[in-house]
Amino acid sequence: ETGVTQSPTHLIKTRGQQVTLRCSSQSGHNTVSWYQQALGQGPQFIFQYYREEENGRGNFPPRFSGLQFPNYSSELNVNALELDDSALYLCASSLGGRNTDTQYFGPGTRLTVL
Amino acid sequence: AQRVTQPEKLLSVFKGAPVELKCNYSYSGSPELFWYVQYSRQRLQLLLRHISRESIKGFTADLNKGETSFHLKKPFAQEEDSAMYYCALSGHQGGKLIFGQGTELSVKP
Repeated sequence: ETGVTQSPTHLIKTRGQQVTLRCSSQSGHNTVSWYQQALGQGPQFIFQYYREEENGRGNFPPRFSGLQFPNYSSELNVNALELDDSALYLCASSLGGRNTDTQYFGPGTRLTVL
Repeated sequence: AQRVTQPEKLLSVFKGAPVELKCNYSYSGSPELFWYVQYSRQRLQLLLRHISRESIKGFTADLNKGETSFHLKKPFAQEEDSAMYYCALSGHQGGKLIFGQGTELSVKP
């Protein structure tokens, strides 16, 4: 069984740029959730994709967008980067878009915005 | 408002001592409650959830709906329990997890 993987591990961008983060879900999982974790804080829910459709969104502006592909891998896109976007971005996969499902987390992508 | 509060940022105990990590929540309805753990240089992983009513690595957590709490307990702490612990809830909106700020547990020899 392959666990959740994320790429890249870390990257550095400048203000105003755009970034794409990638996530491969665990084998057999059809749901991917994205979280932002600022330093010293708990993860904050960005959005979730279930079978290629958005299945809930947190309190993040529209410049945070996502995609889920037929193989259930996912991308998180952030446009017009701001300094406050610097954080660890976590991806989690689960078997279905239900609140009882266990979410399995990837190692994260560390984004630094200068 | 949906919220999870972990009042202690750091909890330091000696090996063999009891440990209790506090978690209070605010949610209108019946949420699912979870404890996630992150050991040093490892990814976030599920420790336990209230629906399972199971004990993992000697940890237990009881959901108290009256006090809206889900405290994590272990009678005898071990050094390998040192980690970051996050309490989280999931409501009716699919699998959205709301996390607390986390409590760092340090178990000294």
